[in-house]
Formats: sequence, structure tokens, C-alpha cells
Amino acid sequence: GAVVSQHPSRVICKSGTSVKIECRSLDFQATTMFWYRQFPKQSLMLMATSNEGSKATYEQGVEKDKFLINHASLTLSTLTVTSAHPEDSSFYICSAPQGTGVRQYFGPGTRLTVT
Amino acid sequence: TQLLEQSPQFLSIQEGENLTVYCNSSSVFSSLQWYRQEPGEGPVLLVTVVTGGEVKKLKRLTFQFGDARKDSSLHITAAQPGDTGLYLCAGVTTGGNTPLVFGKGTRLSVIA
Repeated sequence: GAVVSQHPSRVICKSGTSVKIECRSLDFQATTMFWYRQFPKQSLMLMATSNEGSKATYEQGVEKDKFLINHASLTLSTLTVTSAHPEDSSFYICSAPQGTGVRQYFGPGTRLTVT
Repeated sequence: TQLLEQSPQFLSIQEGENLTVYCNSSSVFSSLQWYRQEPGEGPVLLVTVVTGGEVKKLKRLTFQFGDARKDSSLHITAAQPGDTGLYLCAGVTTGGNTPLVFGKGTRLSVIA
């Protein structure tokens, strides 16, 4: 099956710094990718839809200036958490639909800890 | 906004017991997916149900899609410790390239 990778898998950063998370579709092209955030013992919450070649679409309550999304190619979307704070600590997961888009492939997630 | 109500949120049972997880919505979905997620990993797709009334079996797991395509259930027979994990239902809206609508998840713990 298709594979989606994320890098890094874990990152610890200091408060006030920025962190970039990459999401790659390894063997298929994805014009759309989705970014989710998951707090401990909770479900996935959609943050934004990343669109190749155009601006991302953010869900209500998600600050677009804080969570910068760039979908520069058909296989790569990046999420940059700017000026990170401890409350941004979470598990960030991306997914990419393949083909008609009904089947989505999830990345393994990135654990962000802001100290 | 389409919502999926998933229940129960937490379930702790003994090995060998049966259990059912429910996913309900007032909205119709084109299909519904069930995922299982281990700690520190991304969700892994278990099954997709598409047709109203459809029943799919995956070893000891039985998935059912409601006739009206608004609800679904996951039944596990003779649960084992290896079934422990977070189970998520996710609704697929019309067309492709749209985000999934996730339920809140059911955290299952099977005790040996």
C-alpha cells in the first residue's frame, strides 16, 4: 500500500522557537494533504487542509499565522509551528488521500514537546 | 458540521469477553472507516464500509454499516490483550480529497 512519512518523529524545542514538520507521500502524488492534532487520550482534530500550489484551508480556531503550511510539491507538505509554547505540545499527524481520495494514508505522527 | 458520536469512550474488559463499539451520526456518509491506533503511531485502517447494511468481518472483528449509512458498529469476539488500543470511526463525506470526520475514539483495554 501507499506510504506516508513524517519527519521528525519526535522533537523537543524551547518555548518561543519554531519547529518544522514534514509530511511526504513516498510512492504517490497528493494534491491535498490533511494535518491533524491529537492530544493525549483524545481523537484526531483536523487543523487544516494543505493544497498543492495554493493556500491552505484552516479549521475554525486554528491560527494560520501560528501554524504555517506549505505544500510546495505533489509529495511534500510542511507544517511549521511558529513561536511554540508548551500548550502546542501535542501529537501531529498528516494524511494524504490517494487516487479518488476515499482511501487516506496516515503518517506515523510527530510528537512535539515544547519546554 | 457533521459529527460522529462514538461510544463508549473507555472500555476495560477481561480476555475472552465480547464487546461492541458504536458510531452514530445524524448525517449520511458515503462510507465509514474504522481505524486502530497504537500509542505514538498514526491510525491504521481496519475496514471501509460503503453500502447501507453492509457487514464485513476481519477475523474476530465484525463491522456493520447501518441501512441509512448514518451509523456503524464494531464488534469484537473473544477479545485478546493484543486488541488493546484506540479504535476510531471516521466518516467519509461525498467525493474525494475531503477530510475525514472522526469520532472521539474508544480506548479499549483487554486484561489478561
